[in-house]
Amino acid sequence: GQQLNQSPQSMFIQEGEDVSMNCTSSSIFNTWLWYKQDPGEGPVLLIALYKAGELTSNGRLTAQFGITRKDSFLNISASIPSDVGIYFCAGQMNYGGSQGNLIFGKGTKLSVKP
Amino acid sequence: NAGVMQNPRHLVRRRGQEARLRCSPVKGHSHVYWYRQLPEEGLKFMVYLQKENIIDESGMPKERFSAEFPKEGPSILRIQQVVRGDSAAYFCASSPLWSSGANVLTFGAGSRLTVL
Repeated sequence: GQQLNQSPQSMFIQEGEDVSMNCTSSSIFNTWLWYKQDPGEGPVLLIALYKAGELTSNGRLTAQFGITRKDSFLNISASIPSDVGIYFCAGQMNYGGSQGNLIFGKGTKLSVKP
Repeated sequence: NAGVMQNPRHLVRRRGQEARLRCSPVKGHSHVYWYRQLPEEGLKFMVYLQKENIIDESGMPKERFSAEFPKEGPSILRIQQVVRGDSAAYFCASSPLWSSGANVLTFGAGSRLTVL
């Protein structure tokens, strides 16, 4: 089946650092989404991207929809402790009216540097 | 204005028992989706339902799993004769009737099934 390759798998951050993560796919997607999941909770949508080349910001978060439609990245600037959690990318093809069939990456786990 | 409500939050079953997971969508949302998340993995799509209709069940295992979204009441994901491999977090999401983009999916907090 379709797979998204998300990297890095995990990373340690120090407060104030910038963070980057990305997703690549062998398939073309019409929509790219970035979610954050805290322990014991469901995913919460951070940013949605609908057009190739689109660059969208949400506060300290910036995400881009790759020109090839096969990749996306998420940047977090000036990280703070509450940024800790697992970040997931998700792609969607929007076929046949079914808008829920999101393909998720395996996640990037953000932890605070000891 | 409650979000997606899932219950139970935690469920323990022995092999061979049945598990029923419930999902009440956001008030006014008529589309419900179920996803499964294994430890250290992303979410995997299982099924998409509207009231009294299964729209897309391409992610559902062929046996033992079923889902419904009746005219009245919550959506139910039912797993019969559970096995250890069914242990996972099951997430429900909902969206309004005429959603034009994926960003309208709201996820619940999940139901965590443990099979002993």
